[in-house]
Amino acid sequence: AQKVTQAQTEISVVEKEDVTLDCVYETRDTTYYLFWYKQPPSGELVFLIRRNSFDEQNEISGRYSWNFQKSASSFNFTITASQVVDSAVYFCALSEVINTGTASKLTFGTGTRLQVTL
Amino acid sequence: DSGVTQTPKHLITATGQRVTLRCSPRSGDLSVYWYQQSLDQGLQFLIQYYNGEERAKGNILERFSAQQFPDLHSELNLSSLELGDSALYFCASSTDRWDTQYFGPGTRLTVL
Repeated sequence: AQKVTQAQTEISVVEKEDVTLDCVYETRDTTYYLFWYKQPPSGELVFLIRRNSFDEQNEISGRYSWNFQKSASSFNFTITASQVVDSAVYFCALSEVINTGTASKLTFGTGTRLQVTL
Repeated sequence: DSGVTQTPKHLITATGQRVTLRCSPRSGDLSVYWYQQSLDQGLQFLIQYYNGEERAKGNILERFSAQQFPDLHSELNLSSLELGDSALYFCASSTDRWDTQYFGPGTRLTVL
C-alpha cells in the first residue's frame, strides 16, 4: 500500500526565515505523481505543485521550491523568506492509480502545520 | 478559487439524521472525488466518479453513498449520522485520473 510520511507535525519560524517541509513516500508503482497542497486557516485545500515520477528536476516558483529525490523517495518543499501569510497546514500527497488503471486516488500525509510569526 | 463549488458550507444536524452534500466540478472536468478530513483519520479518500460512473471506492461507510448526475455535479449522501461523522468533506475534480485534483472549499458537517 502507498504511504506518505510527514514527520514534522508543527514548525514555527520567524518571518523571513527559510523553512523546509519534509515528505517521504512509499510506493511500488513506477509511474506516480506527487503533490503539495496548502490548507490555510480558512480551510480550503489549495494546489501548489504536481510532479511526475520521471521528472526529477527541481522546481522553483517565486519563494517556493521543491526538491524531488527519487532515490530517497522524498519530495521536500522549501519556503524562502517566509511570510505570515504562509502560515497554514501543508500536505504532501501521492497519486495512486487503482482498479486496473481506470481510477486514481490521492494518499495524503498527516500534514505539517507551519506558523510564521513577526 | 479552484472552480469547484460545494454547498452547503456548514451543516449542523443531529445523530440519526440524513444529509446531502453537493458538489459542482470545474468546467470540463469529468472526474469527481470525495474526501473526508477528520482529526483522527486525516484526509481520506471516499469515492470517485467519472462521467457518471463509479470508478473507485475508498474508506466509505455503507451508510454513505454518492452519485454523479448527467450534468456532472455530484452528491454525497450521509445517513444514520453518528457523532464520529463530524468532519470536513471535500469534493475535488480533475480532467482525468492522472490530472491534478482541484478541491472545493469543503462542507463542514457537525453532528450533535
